[in-house]
Amino acid sequence: SQTIHQWPATLVQPVGSPLSLECTVEGTSNPNLYWYRQAAGRGLQLLFYSVGIGQISSEVPQNLSASRPQDRQFILSSKKLLLSDSGFYLCAWSVWGRRETQYFGPGTRLLVL
Amino acid sequence: GENVEQHPSTLSVQEGDSAVIKCTYSDSASNYFPWYKQELGKGPQLIIDIRSNVGEKKDQRIAVTLNKTAKHFSLHITETQPEDSAVYFCAASIGSGTSGTYKYIFGTGTRLKVLA
Repeated sequence: SQTIHQWPATLVQPVGSPLSLECTVEGTSNPNLYWYRQAAGRGLQLLFYSVGIGQISSEVPQNLSASRPQDRQFILSSKKLLLSDSGFYLCAWSVWGRRETQYFGPGTRLLVL
Repeated sequence: GENVEQHPSTLSVQEGDSAVIKCTYSDSASNYFPWYKQELGKGPQLIIDIRSNVGEKKDQRIAVTLNKTAKHFSLHITETQPEDSAVYFCAASIGSGTSGTYKYIFGTGTRLKVLA
């Protein structure tokens, strides 16, 4: 069966510091991968998605970037965090091209102070 | 642009009663509509989905209905239990399967409280 991992689970970072959040998927090959952000009490905003290694599509201009160095690894980064980057970050995966269902990871709660 | 509206934003029901959450989408090309349940501090979990060639789907106490003409779809939970308390999100697919990926537009969520 497939599983998706995210770490860290919680992160408190000062403004201006760098960020690296990691997501890995097990039990499938060539998945579509997604990064979402969820502000407190709000819906899910798609930040990035990837259909393959090195292929990143950005949905909104922002202070964040994403990379996919390996087939089942998706990384969300920032060089300098802003207060507005605080939120709950969710990684999700889906099967390439065949099914639409997205499966979410447990999330990383980021607090920028 | 594409949009999904979800109502109500909060819903309180007595245990054993039914709960209905409604969503409206704007993109006529949307053909897949999942529903997710999110418990506090956790990632959303898929609870049921429906494709555009089906009008209704049921899984035990949960059912989803789709009206493509009106661009409406709804989640129905019968015989609610306290463990059904959570935030529920609807979503509509956008994008082309020929590119290998699908994207969702999410509703803003409904906080369901089941009162014991």
